[in-house]
Amino acid sequence: DAGVIQSPRHEVTEMGQEVTLRCKPISGHDYLFWYRQTMMRGLELLIYFNNNVPIDDSGMPEDRFSAKMPNASFSTLKIQPSEPRDSAVYFCASTTAWVRYTGELFFGEGSRLTVL
Amino acid sequence: QQQVKQSPQSLIVQKGGISIINCAYENTAFDYFPWYQQFPGKGPALLIAIRPDVSEKKEGRFTISFNKSAKQFSLHIMDSQPGDSATYFCAASPQGGSEKLVFGKGTKLTVNP
Repeated sequence: DAGVIQSPRHEVTEMGQEVTLRCKPISGHDYLFWYRQTMMRGLELLIYFNNNVPIDDSGMPEDRFSAKMPNASFSTLKIQPSEPRDSAVYFCASTTAWVRYTGELFFGEGSRLTVL
Repeated sequence: QQQVKQSPQSLIVQKGGISIINCAYENTAFDYFPWYQQFPGKGPALLIAIRPDVSEKKEGRFTISFNKSAKQFSLHIMDSQPGDSATYFCAASPQGGSEKLVFGKGTKLTVNP
């Protein structure tokens, strides 16, 4: 079975540019999460969706960040304009309503973003 | 504020040795404590998990010890192998759900041959 698929795997951009990260969750999973990983702050939850609806976006750092989930098989995380401090690895993860009680999230391989 | 503190930040162990990673939490509403393992270039993956009604859980060479009164839990890797070299994250989840899963900052484990 295919796991969580993220693209691009690597992105290098210049400050001020728009960045769009994409995620395809595991089929049948109804929860989708976006995390950001940095050395300083570790894994931070940015936002999560349930049945395509954003439930909690309190972790989104500022208005430059936005996330959408137009359907059950696709989500995007957009940063506009990007800044060097946004450089990090961004992970998408998914899970199902019953699996969540075991605490298991299925992570993608991440998108490494470098903003110059 | 929900927080999970993890130590050490990095750990070097010889092959065959015991690796021990510790975590502490503050929020008594946490009731599920998973550990995730992350290899370079990959996403974290669930390794083992425990609930607070159990003081210890063992799966192969991996054991979680849980001290509810001290609000601490730890991961022990027995007979550590070079293939165990990875970053380990403890985490905590409130009321049994993985929403708002709070992660520790991670421990980079290196097992020397």
